[in-house]
Amino acid sequence: EAGVAQSPRYKIIEKRQSVAFWCNPISGHATLYWYQQILGQGPKLLIQFQNNGVVDDSQLPKDRFSAERLKGVDSTLKIQPAKLEDSAVYLCASSPGLVGNTIYFGEGSWLTVV
Amino acid sequence: AQSVTQLGSHVSVSEGALVLLRCNYSSSVPPYLFWYVQYPNQGLQLLLKYTSAATLVKGINGFEAEFKKSETSFHLTKPSAHMSDAAEYFCAVSDRLSTGTASKLTFGTGTRLQVTL
Repeated sequence: EAGVAQSPRYKIIEKRQSVAFWCNPISGHATLYWYQQILGQGPKLLIQFQNNGVVDDSQLPKDRFSAERLKGVDSTLKIQPAKLEDSAVYLCASSPGLVGNTIYFGEGSWLTVV
Repeated sequence: AQSVTQLGSHVSVSEGALVLLRCNYSSSVPPYLFWYVQYPNQGLQLLLKYTSAATLVKGINGFEAEFKKSETSFHLTKPSAHMSDAAEYFCAVSDRLSTGTASKLTFGTGTRLQVTL
């Protein structure tokens, strides 16, 4: 079974530029998550989708971050304009969609803002 | 809000020694609890999870964890460390409230395990 796919794996941009990350979840998984992991910290939830609807985006900095899930499958996370403090690993994850289900993570997209 | 606390940001053990990584949760209702491992430059991989079927949970790679309600703990152990166990380990919690959608995970700050010869 294919896992959660993410691209690009690595990205270096200058501050105030924009960047987009793409995620393809495990086939059939209803729930998709984006987490931000800053070096030395645990992952922090940015946004959770159930099919193509947003369940939780309370910690998403909406002035610069946006995310969408097209047709309830793939998702993109965009940052515009980027700040130095956005340097982190952006982890996409998916789950079948029921409470207690295992959440499966992709390998992450590493962003460095200079 | 639910949370987990991982005691010790770095743990060093000798190869063959017992591994003990500590995790305490904060919740009024026993939650679901998870341990994930992260190898360098990789994503998170599930080691094991507690969903109330049994208090002692066995996972992959010889790891296990015991849910202790009285201590609000879910410590991760492995009888004999191997060099390949060197990684970052995260404890995570999700709530049991059923709203028809999957719950989110709230992670601890992680414990880096070093294994020495």
